Amino acid sequence: AQSVTQPDIHITVSEGASLELRCNYSYGATPYLFWYVQSPGQGLQLLLKYFSGDTLVQGIKGFEAEFKRSQSSFNLRKPSVHWSDAAEYFCAVVFTGGGNKLTFGTGTQLKVEL
Amino acid sequence: DGGITQSPKYLFRKEGQNVTLSCEQNLNHDAMYWYRQDPGQGLRLIYYSQIVNDFQKGDIAEGYSVSREKKESFPLTVTSAQKNPTAFYLCASSIARAGDTGELFFGEGSRLTVL
Repeated sequence: AQSVTQPDIHITVSEGASLELRCNYSYGATPYLFWYVQSPGQGLQLLLKYFSGDTLVQGIKGFEAEFKRSQSSFNLRKPSVHWSDAAEYFCAVVFTGGGNKLTFGTGTQLKVEL
Repeated sequence: DGGITQSPKYLFRKEGQNVTLSCEQNLNHDAMYWYRQDPGQGLRLIYYSQIVNDFQKGDIAEGYSVSREKKESFPLTVTSAQKNPTAFYLCASSIARAGDTGELFFGEGSRLTVL
């Protein structure tokens, strides 16, 4: 079955530390991959996306993500976290051939300690 | 500025009442979506529409209804048949034409509380 998993429900990091949020998917082909961020009580904002080509993609706010086909993963990274990065992060996947509908992971809540 | 506008931002409802959440977009997008968000469950698709006068059920359509009479508008009605309507509702849109990759643009959400 097609699915997307974010194994970490909560993550806490210190300001200035590096960050990696995990995302795994289950699918027989390469899907379209996205990371969105949501501040409390707000809508979702697109951080970055991967469709094809270079497997390391750069996004807004200093975030990057790497697609690893062998691991069916699309982990989000940031070298140095700022307090304003505290939010909820969602990995999302379009399983091509499924009508281009976006399927979301359950999200990872990031807390940043000062 | 182009974007998606949801209203109201907060809404309180008594049990047994229907309520309608508004979603308007000026991005000239063909497709529009309604998601429900509950803590720890991510976003779940309620309904979506790819063209005017047509819409499809998503994963959790029971107790909800929609209409798509205009390209710009996709209102969601939460009916009294929805057993647990308290949630955060998000509207989104996408291009849905050739080359569409499924990227969504979101409104700021409407929080519905049933008293």
